[in-house]
Amino acid sequence: EVQLVESGGGLEQPGESLRLSCVGSGFTFSSYNMNWLRQAPGKGLEWVSYISTSSNTIYYADSVKGRFATSRDNAKNSLFLQLNGLRAEDTAIYYCARVVGGTPSDHWGQGTLVTVSS
Amino acid sequence: QSVLTQPRSVSGSPGQSVTISCTGTISDVGGYNYVSWYQQHPGQAPKLMIYDVNKRPSGVPDFFSGSKSGNTASLTISGLRAEDEADYYCCSYAGSYTWVFGGGTRLTVL
Repeated sequence: EVQLVESGGGLEQPGESLRLSCVGSGFTFSSYNMNWLRQAPGKGLEWVSYISTSSNTIYYADSVKGRFATSRDNAKNSLFLQLNGLRAEDTAIYYCARVVGGTPSDHWGQGTLVTVSS
Repeated sequence: QSVLTQPRSVSGSPGQSVTISCTGTISDVGGYNYVSWYQQHPGQAPKLMIYDVNKRPSGVPDFFSGSKSGNTASLTISGLRAEDEADYYCCSYAGSYTWVFGGGTRLTVL
């Protein structure tokens, strides 16, 4: 069974930093491109970042470009999202996601909540 | 403001069919056959219901179907059941490993 487990969320003040982690199991993690997606409270879904299997290709949404950094450790089946310069509008549940073809996520974890507030 | 346009809400009675539209542009919906649909019940993570416009993942019943015409994709749910009441989001690949979502549609089963 495919499982994605996110962690690292919490309450941070504007301008602070946070590092999110995601561990995948039940599939060959190193063979899949991965995404980060997020959902603000009561709002819709938003694609945040993409990373290829070998980390050679990384893309970001304009809303986070220059502030967030995605990385992965295939040996540990892990995906990371470094959030810097946090803003109130970054408050959301963050999900890691397995990319399949042109689909941004075929399985979802429960996500990790990031709250940015002073 | 979301890139893809969905109706904020739709409703139907049990047993009826409903269709949710998702309108984009040639840069996303119209340019790629990579439209997906997600179902989300309150307090839960989204679930993939349709991918590549009209394909169903294993375990998704065949009364969920997808289609596309030009820059507009559609999700049709036939034979509505109470448990289909949820939020539905469309998503399209937009090139260069980026994706765009619709704002979501609340489906109410009357």
